[in-house]
Amino acid sequence: DGGITQSPKYLFRKEGQNVTLSCEQNLNHDAMYWYRQDPGQGLRLIYYSQIVNDFQKGDIAEGYSVSREKKESFPLTVTSAQKNPTAFYLCASGTGTGFSGANVLTFGAGSRLTVL
Amino acid sequence: GNSVTQMEGPVTLSEEAFLTINCTYTATGYPSLFWYVQYPGEGLQLLLKATKADDKGSNKGFEATYRKETTSFHLEKGSVQVSDSAVYFCALITYTGGFKTIFGAGTRLFVKA
Repeated sequence: DGGITQSPKYLFRKEGQNVTLSCEQNLNHDAMYWYRQDPGQGLRLIYYSQIVNDFQKGDIAEGYSVSREKKESFPLTVTSAQKNPTAFYLCASGTGTGFSGANVLTFGAGSRLTVL
Repeated sequence: GNSVTQMEGPVTLSEEAFLTINCTYTATGYPSLFWYVQYPGEGLQLLLKATKADDKGSNKGFEATYRKETTSFHLEKGSVQVSDSAVYFCALITYTGGFKTIFGAGTRLFVKA
């Protein structure tokens, strides 16, 4: 079955540590996205990538980094510079092409990061 | 800028009650509009969409009509079930060097048996 796999599902981090969240898709989608979800704030876009080896900052990119070396993979690193990293992180993919109505997002199950 | 505003929750209803979740948007041009649903502990999944004015999206008994004159995309269901308890997100797509989906804050729905 096609879909998006995020890992780990739960992650605990000590202050000052970098952590990397994995996101893999087998949908052959060109575009991939990382969102952060906090209670009562909906989803905020961190980074997105339309094609391999290219990515753009979203609305809250500070303290995060990404890479897109393969079409299937879009890992997110939460660095020690992120002051409030405790959140639920969602990865998504979409066709990224064609007209806007065709760009339905498929989401992974999410990764919950807690800073101790 | 582009944005989506949803009614605040939580919304608590009894089974078989009528549901309305309000959504209005601000956008340049004519965006496509979406409703996504998130069940506990999961990612979001598409519920329905509409791509132009007066389009009606529908799925699983839920409906929403794209109203350009009021910039709204309200979600409705005639008779809710306990299994509809979830968080509902209104969203639109913009294009700035790539397609980006902008989400509202989400509205949590509780349905009591």
